[in-house]
Amino acid sequence: EIVMTQSPATLSVSPGERATLSCRASQNVGRNLAWYQRKPGQASRLLIYGASTRATGIPSRFSGSGSGTEFTLNISSLQSEDSAVYFCQQYNNWPLTFGGGTTVEIK
Amino acid sequence: QVQLQESGPGLVKPSETLSLTCTVSGGSIGNNYWSWIRQAPGKGLEWIGYIYYSGATKTNPSLKSRATVSVQTSKNQFSLKLTSVTAADTAVYYCARHFYESPIDLWGLGTLVTVSS
Repeated sequence: EIVMTQSPATLSVSPGERATLSCRASQNVGRNLAWYQRKPGQASRLLIYGASTRATGIPSRFSGSGSGTEFTLNISSLQSEDSAVYFCQQYNNWPLTFGGGTTVEIK
Repeated sequence: QVQLQESGPGLVKPSETLSLTCTVSGGSIGNNYWSWIRQAPGKGLEWIGYIYYSGATKTNPSLKSRATVSVQTSKNQFSLKLTSVTAADTAVYYCARHFYESPIDLWGLGTLVTVSS
């Protein structure tokens, strides 16, 4: 199975600054990579799919890039409501696999 | 809008069968793939298996055939059965919606299942 590795595990960023999250796949997944956001007490939300396409209703400060095995999620100008766990997922191969998650904290 | 709600026992004894149901509200269970995903304490998310509304299924080989996913279209529900559970099956279990080889576009809130005597 494809192993997804995220870094860093925790990221502490001041409001208004940029957060950069990384996701690495153990094999080529093309652009079949999604990013999700999870907040306590809420259902996980799809942010990005196809490595770089924002899902419906996602603010433009969220952007994704990459292909193959290296992917990045950028949150420009971090807002307080962006405090959450972010995780990546590949859907190129079965079984579906997920990264371990990055916790974004607001300084 | 469509929502997913997991339900089932929060405590299961070792060696018994874990049974969960996901109710789809606000929309039809048709024309979609429905998955179960779990996250054990301190671990990452693990995809368990999916069912298509027609009944086609696929499960994660890591579970060694212990998992069965089924659908009850008349009730707009789908279910998970996991046999011979151990403490390692203690996790938050999520139900989710997606299309084939597509991202998950809808998640349930999750339900904690603890395996303990």
